[in-house]
Amino acid sequence: GAGVSQSPSNKVTEKGKDVELRCDPISGHTALYWYRQSLGQGLEFLIYFQGNSAPDKSGLPSDRFSAERTGGSVSTLTIQRTQQEDSAVYLCASSFRLSGGPDNEQFFGPGTRLTVL
Amino acid sequence: GQQVMQIPQYQHVQEGEDFTTYCNSSTTLSNIQWYKQRPGGHPVFLIQLVKSGEVKKQKRLTFQFGEAKKNSSLHITATQTTDVGTYFCAGRLANNFNKFYFGSGTKLNVKP
Repeated sequence: GAGVSQSPSNKVTEKGKDVELRCDPISGHTALYWYRQSLGQGLEFLIYFQGNSAPDKSGLPSDRFSAERTGGSVSTLTIQRTQQEDSAVYLCASSFRLSGGPDNEQFFGPGTRLTVL
Repeated sequence: GQQVMQIPQYQHVQEGEDFTTYCNSSTTLSNIQWYKQRPGGHPVFLIQLVKSGEVKKQKRLTFQFGEAKKNSSLHITATQTTDVGTYFCAGRLANNFNKFYFGSGTKLNVKP
């Protein structure tokens, strides 16, 4: 596809269950970002991948959150033992950025709306 | 804590009036980007500023980056109803390239 895609678009889960969110960045984009946006709020930075590596994981809200990126492309964000406060829209973005190089435009996906009951 | 502060949180204007949103960081930024998010949509890139004191214009929009690279503003002249949305600033700290901080956003409502 031409843009960033995310799946699923909506996810309703029960408290305590694990969820996996997927992001397919634009082909060739080296940088990938995960954000969380609660209703009517700003974007909370979660993690940034340069290639397959995430230099800093301290933005993840708790150790229940993990993310990986394989082959410099697809990324998954996993939330274990979901809590109600995890309910939010999870946005993924990608850009072409060389490590240590200047930032470029981030292209956002449509997001995954997660609801934890 | 919040690395990039943005004000105001909301702004209601009459069509034709001007609008400004401000971002401030306690730490020097390497660059700053501006995004617009329409209701129900995802953020869309508007512009990036990199140089100290830089000013860029896009039609009715004027973007400024402060001399110290700690603050930035977006000014819209003669707002239109199509300007409705939330405007976010975002940037990387000069001393930490591994995170990307978004401001809390300014929600603009334009009354026709």
